[in-house]
Amino acid sequence: DGGITQSPKYLFRKEGQNVTLSCEQNLNHDAMYWYRQDPGQGLRLIYYSQIVNDFQKGDIAEGYSVSREKKESFPLTVTSAQKNPTAFYLCASSISGLAGVYEQYFGPGTRLTVT
Amino acid sequence: ILNVEQSPQSLHVQEGDSTNFTCSFPSSNFYALHWYRWETAKSPEALFVMTLNGDEKKKGRISATLNTKEGYSYLYIKGSQPEDSATYLCAFPPGAGSYQLTFGKGTKLSVIP
Repeated sequence: DGGITQSPKYLFRKEGQNVTLSCEQNLNHDAMYWYRQDPGQGLRLIYYSQIVNDFQKGDIAEGYSVSREKKESFPLTVTSAQKNPTAFYLCASSISGLAGVYEQYFGPGTRLTVT
Repeated sequence: ILNVEQSPQSLHVQEGDSTNFTCSFPSSNFYALHWYRWETAKSPEALFVMTLNGDEKKKGRISATLNTKEGYSYLYIKGSQPEDSATYLCAFPPGAGSYQLTFGKGTKLSVIP
């Protein structure tokens, strides 16, 4: 089955620790995205990548880092610099194209809790 | 950040009722408008990507219309069923040179059996 996997589903960390969220896709999509969802908010873009070895900051990139070494993988690291890391994180992928005309395919998400 | 407004925030309908909700977006520099359905405990799933003024798209009992000149899209559900209960998101790219989408907060639909 083609799709996007995110692991783990739930993640707990102590404040001050970096944590990496996994995102893998086998849809052969060039573009991948990381979003964050908080209660009462829409999905907010953290980082996106249109091609391997290239990525761009989204609207709320501070305190996060990413890498795109392989087409299938786009891991997100939540660093200790992120002031409010507790949230639900969604990964997505799509065919790469300007002006967002291609639908995005989403993973199941990871709920991160930092205490 | 350009605003995408969705209304209502939530609604409850009886099974069999038809319903509709709205997505409002800036009408200048329009390129595309996406609708997604997000069921509880599942991943968001694309319903429609609309690009032309006057566009109408349909998938089963769900349809959508687009008015780019006035900056709104309507999503209609005919004969709502409990399985239609979900949050419906709209999103659009904030510019011509943009690869990203800006999402609204969604409309949460609950269909009461």
